[in-house]
Amino acid sequence: AQKVTQAQTEISVVEKEDVTLDCVYETRDTTYYLFWYKQPPSGELVFLIRRNSFDEQNEISGRYSWNFQKSTSSFNFTITASQVVDSAVYFCALRSDNYGQNFVFGPGTRLSVLP
Amino acid sequence: NAGVTQTPKFRILKIGQSMTLQCTQDMNHNYMYWYRQDPGMGLKLIYYSVGAGITDKGEVPNGYNVSRSTTEDFPLRLELAAPSQTSVYFCASRKNLADEQFFGPGTRLTVL
Repeated sequence: AQKVTQAQTEISVVEKEDVTLDCVYETRDTTYYLFWYKQPPSGELVFLIRRNSFDEQNEISGRYSWNFQKSTSSFNFTITASQVVDSAVYFCALRSDNYGQNFVFGPGTRLSVLP
Repeated sequence: NAGVTQTPKFRILKIGQSMTLQCTQDMNHNYMYWYRQDPGMGLKLIYYSVGAGITDKGEVPNGYNVSRSTTEDFPLRLELAAPSQTSVYFCASRKNLADEQFFGPGTRLTVL
């Protein structure tokens, strides 16, 4: 079975604070892909990053960084110096080759960045 | 490219009515998907298609039908609307298996 857990339902931080959103996944496959999406209040889904299971290198993109650790089945997302525009729901998702087309989404973490 | 477009943006249906949610992509993507997002929840896959003429059920297909007569279009049909189908519906597409999905803006459907 495949599963994505985002244990943090809601997080509130004050602007300029750093915040980490947790994502823990379950899969028996050796080849899989992990994703993060952002859903701002306007409702659209915005792709942030993709990682495949063979690439454990962490990635940084501006204020965003991702920490992929296969040993703990985690793919955590950190926002440094958060801004009000970062307020959104963030979804972690998993797709593995043996489960075909199905992307499994976590329940999402609602991040509120207060001014 | 317009990306993935969906119409309508909002719709209110009465119980038992039917409607079609339209989805079009202009990126020549092979794979297309329909998801529903219930309030405060993640996305659940309704149907997907790996190419024109090929469709298959996802996690929650009951009450819905799809067709894929062209690469660009992937309409979702609700035959007998029920209150349980009140949700936001997202269409998505991607080019290859390893790629991320591109999402449309969503259709907010309310069934009363």
